[in-house]
Amino acid sequence: DAGVIQSPRHEVTEMGQEVTLRCKPISGHNSLFWYRQTMMRGLELLIYFNNNVPIDDSGMPEDRFSAKMPNASFSTLKIQPSEPRDSAVYFCASSLMAGGKETQYFGPGTRLLVL
Amino acid sequence: GEDVEQSLFLSVREGDSSVINCTYTDSSSTYLYWYKQEPGAGLQLLTYIFSNMDMKQDQRLTVLLNKKDKHLSLRIADTQTGDSAIYFCAENPGGYNKLIFGAGTRLAVHP
Repeated sequence: DAGVIQSPRHEVTEMGQEVTLRCKPISGHNSLFWYRQTMMRGLELLIYFNNNVPIDDSGMPEDRFSAKMPNASFSTLKIQPSEPRDSAVYFCASSLMAGGKETQYFGPGTRLLVL
Repeated sequence: GEDVEQSLFLSVREGDSSVINCTYTDSSSTYLYWYKQEPGAGLQLLTYIFSNMDMKQDQRLTVLLNKKDKHLSLRIADTQTGDSAIYFCAENPGGYNKLIFGAGTRLAVHP
């Protein structure tokens, strides 16, 4: 099993540019989560999907952020336009909720630096 | 509301036991989790405990759950330098398809 796959692993961009982060969940998992991690704010849940449908996007900072999950094996998180304060590590996680147990498996993260 | 609290930092000597504590708020959480994050890596599931258990042991790891006080702890026996990492406690509030994470406890192991 390849685990959760994220790309790119590192991204450096200039303020105002569009950034697209990609995630491939573990095959068979039915939930997908996007998190952001910074020193100041810790780990924040941005949005999560269940069976490809967005369930809770209350953590999305503002309209510059959008996320899609067109099928069970792919999701994107887009920032447009990007700002320096968006610099963070973005994690994707997936899970298969069974019997009340919600075990999330994290990808390696995308380290984003907006200059 | 939902909230998970942990102390931010713990320093121990190599070979000693480490105890990382966590408090949570939702008594309906069915499972409680410990994740480990090494530098530059994602979170890795370390262990979990079902809410009707008081204790779970897995090699050097012991999880204790006090459901009355909503207190969870992780004990690492014979702590090694490779255990240096950030440890996150998480709860799974009943009816929700998501985890609520604490801020993480940074464990530093020194010789």
